[in-house]
Amino acid sequence: AQKVTQAQTEISVVEKEDVTLDCVYETRDTTYYLFWYKQPPSGELVFLIRRNSFDEQNEISGRYSWNFQKSTSSFNFTITASQVVDSAVYFCALSGWGASGSRLTFGEGTQLTVNP
Amino acid sequence: EAQVTQNPRYLITVTGKKLTVTCSQNMNHEYMSWYRQDPGLGLRQIYYSMNVEVTDKGDVPEGYKVSRKEKRNFPLILESPSPNQTSLYFCASKATTSGRRETQYFGPGTRLLVL
Repeated sequence: AQKVTQAQTEISVVEKEDVTLDCVYETRDTTYYLFWYKQPPSGELVFLIRRNSFDEQNEISGRYSWNFQKSTSSFNFTITASQVVDSAVYFCALSGWGASGSRLTFGEGTQLTVNP
Repeated sequence: EAQVTQNPRYLITVTGKKLTVTCSQNMNHEYMSWYRQDPGLGLRQIYYSMNVEVTDKGDVPEGYKVSRKEKRNFPLILESPSPNQTSLYFCASKATTSGRRETQYFGPGTRLLVL
């Protein structure tokens, strides 16, 4: 069975601070995908990133970066110089490979509040 | 514009009154799915469909029905809603043919309150 754990239920930071959201996953699949989604107060789910299990290169996109460590089954998300607009719930998710592995298993989410 | 649409976006109903939440995608995706989001539980899959006329249960299917008569539409049916089905519902779709992106795209969500 697949499982995703986001141990941080809520995080509060002051604007311009760096913040890291933790994600730990469990799967028996040898190939899989990992995702991060953002849910702003308006409620929609916004896709942020997808990583393949065979590609452990870290990725940076502007102020966002992701650290994938297969050895520790972690896929952490860092926001550098946080801004008030980053306030949202962030979900980490896991899926299998190919059509049969399409189901997404989500973590419980981390509520990030960035205060001015 | 590529998108997943859901209707209605907000719905208040009473126990036992049948309702349908529609979901439509314009990306010719094979895979479609319904999730519900509840505080502290993240999103959990209700039903999914691999293609037309192919549907299967997810993690929390009790109290729900679905159908997939056309590729673009995947309605969620609550035959006899109960208060424990009060939730935020998301429809999602994904391409499954080889070479296409393995990302699920979500609709805007439907907030349902069952009194």
